[in-house]
Amino acid sequence: KAGVTQTPRYLIKTRGQQVTLSCSPISGHRSVSWYQQTPGQGLQFLFEYFSETQRNKGNFPGRFSGRQFSNSRSEMNVSTLELGDSALYLCASSLVGLTDTQYFGPGTRLTVL
Amino acid sequence: AQKVTQAQTEISVVEKEDVTLDCVYETRDTTYYLFWYKQPPSGELVFLIRRNSFDEQNEISGRYSWNFQKSTSSFNFTITASQVVDSAVYFCALSERGQAAGNKLTFGGGTRVLVKP
Repeated sequence: KAGVTQTPRYLIKTRGQQVTLSCSPISGHRSVSWYQQTPGQGLQFLFEYFSETQRNKGNFPGRFSGRQFSNSRSEMNVSTLELGDSALYLCASSLVGLTDTQYFGPGTRLTVL
Repeated sequence: AQKVTQAQTEISVVEKEDVTLDCVYETRDTTYYLFWYKQPPSGELVFLIRRNSFDEQNEISGRYSWNFQKSTSSFNFTITASQVVDSAVYFCALSERGQAAGNKLTFGGGTRVLVKP
């Protein structure tokens, strides 16, 4: 069974631009969570989607948003990029969530110049 | 609020030595889950083990073993007979059952393990 896939793997943007990252979960998994990893803040939870609905949200500004499609694929969007948004963005999928084990993708490395 | 602390930032060992990683957690929930993940240089988080709060039995899985003690809120992880391929950053994580719906992992700061040949 294929693992979690994320595209693109690397991205370079400039301040003020917006970006969309994509995540395809493991087949059969219906919950998708997003995390941001930075050297200063570590791994932080962004949000979780299940059945096309945001079920949980971390403490991030409204510039960070996401959505989930009927096939469980998910996208996250960051608008008006700031230098501090440079990070590794990791997507994880699980069967139905609610403390199921999460399996992570390889991440998207975003650099904001 | 939940919190996970990994006091060791970096551990360096010689191949075949055992490595024990410490993890201390805080939670108000009586039902929760603890995890260990490994992050090699490639960046992907790899799931290693998972434990329920109501099962304190310690186990061994291959070269991995863990020691879960609710009395001290600790969930330590040991790699026996370390190998160079074990070099990575290891994260301890907590997921609470009682929180308002959703599947959120709270991670510790990670411990970098360097295994030298």
